[in-house]
Amino acid sequence: AQSVTQLGSHVSVSEGALVLLRCNYSSSVPPYLFWYVQYPNQGLQLLLKYTSAATLVKGINGFEAEFKKSETSFHLTKPSAHMSDAAEYFCAVMGSYNTDKLIFGTGTRLQVFP
Amino acid sequence: EAGVAQSPRYKIIEKRQSVAFWCNPISGHATLYWYQQILGQGPKLLIQFQNNGVVDDSQLPKDRFSAERLKGVDSTLKIQPAKLEDSAVYLCASSLDWSGFTSYNEQFFGPGTRLTVL
Repeated sequence: AQSVTQLGSHVSVSEGALVLLRCNYSSSVPPYLFWYVQYPNQGLQLLLKYTSAATLVKGINGFEAEFKKSETSFHLTKPSAHMSDAAEYFCAVMGSYNTDKLIFGTGTRLQVFP
Repeated sequence: EAGVAQSPRYKIIEKRQSVAFWCNPISGHATLYWYQQILGQGPKLLIQFQNNGVVDDSQLPKDRFSAERLKGVDSTLKIQPAKLEDSAVYLCASSLDWSGFTSYNEQFFGPGTRLTVL
């Protein structure tokens, strides 16, 4: 069965610092992987997705993630944090063949300090 | 284009009462999803509709939860009777079509309904 593990429920960075949010996945088939962002009292917004094309995926708002099969990882990075990046971030894997059920991690709350 | 609409945004009820949530997907989207997001956890799929048929309801607690999408457009999720552990945000999402695993259709999420059961 597919699953994702997000390391660190809270991450704090200073404005302008590197953002690194960690995600490891488990999948018995080549996975589709996703990062979503959730701002307070809002739904989820897709940041980026990996669907077996290029391993380095660029998303919105300057975020990118690299698919590393050998490490079963899909970490999210941004070179320079902005105050507006403060939100909850979820990593997700698509469940299996013949379904598009998303299986989410437990989330990482990003705080950005001035 | 208008996004996924949900109502109400907030609901407070007492345990053993009933509650219903409504979702209107993006126009033209054939697939509709209901997710439950408990505080501190990621969203969990409750049920997926393709038009007005159910694709996956394996994690829906059918003794108390029900959902319908009668005309293949908007959908209602009901809880009867509610328990304390049902306190959560209920997210509705829609996508253009069911992906299978040969392609991917992005799921667009609504703002959610925050349910508090006292």
